Amino acid sequence: DGGITQSPKYLFRKEGQNVTLSCEQNLNHDAMYWYRQDPGQGLRLIYYSQIVNDFQKGDIAEGYSVSREKKESFPLTVTSAQKNPTAFYLCASSIGKGRGRNTGELFFGEGSRLTVL
Amino acid sequence: QQQVKQSPQSLIVQKGGISIINCAYENTAFDYFPWYQQFPGKGPALLIAIRPDVSEKKEGRFTISFNKSAKQFSLHIMDSQPGDSATYFCAASMKSGSNYKLTFGKGTLLTVNP
Repeated sequence: DGGITQSPKYLFRKEGQNVTLSCEQNLNHDAMYWYRQDPGQGLRLIYYSQIVNDFQKGDIAEGYSVSREKKESFPLTVTSAQKNPTAFYLCASSIGKGRGRNTGELFFGEGSRLTVL
Repeated sequence: QQQVKQSPQSLIVQKGGISIINCAYENTAFDYFPWYQQFPGKGPALLIAIRPDVSEKKEGRFTISFNKSAKQFSLHIMDSQPGDSATYFCAASMKSGSNYKLTFGKGTLLTVNP
């Protein structure tokens, strides 16, 4: 089955620690995204990547970092510089440019819930 | 600046009733308007979408109504069922460079009582 796999599903972190959230997709999609979801805030874009070895900041990138060394993988690191990291994190992918009728439709993983103790 | 405004924040409907969620946008460059459905603890999934060249799109019990001049669109769920209880997000998409960028509304928590 094609899809997006996020891990871990739940993660607890002490203040001052960096944590890395994993996102893997086998949909052969070019573009990948990280969103943060807080109650009543909707989905806010952290980082996105349109192609391997390239990524751009979204609307709330401060305190986060990403890498895109492989097409299938787009890990997100929540650094100690992120002031309020407790949230539900969603990874998504889309088909990417120049391939079919790209509408920007996003396919989401099941999310990772990070709690800072 | 919130580019897509969604209302209401929460909605309670009786089984068999009609659920209506509204969204308004500001940027006329948006050219694709999807709705996503999210169940608790899961990621959102595309429910239905519309382009601005049509005024309505229906898929089963779900209908999008689109008013281009008013820059508004809405989701109607007919014969609402308890299984429809979820958070619904409207979104608007436009080309940003070589990519498409989605802007989401803040979501509506729908509860359908049996």
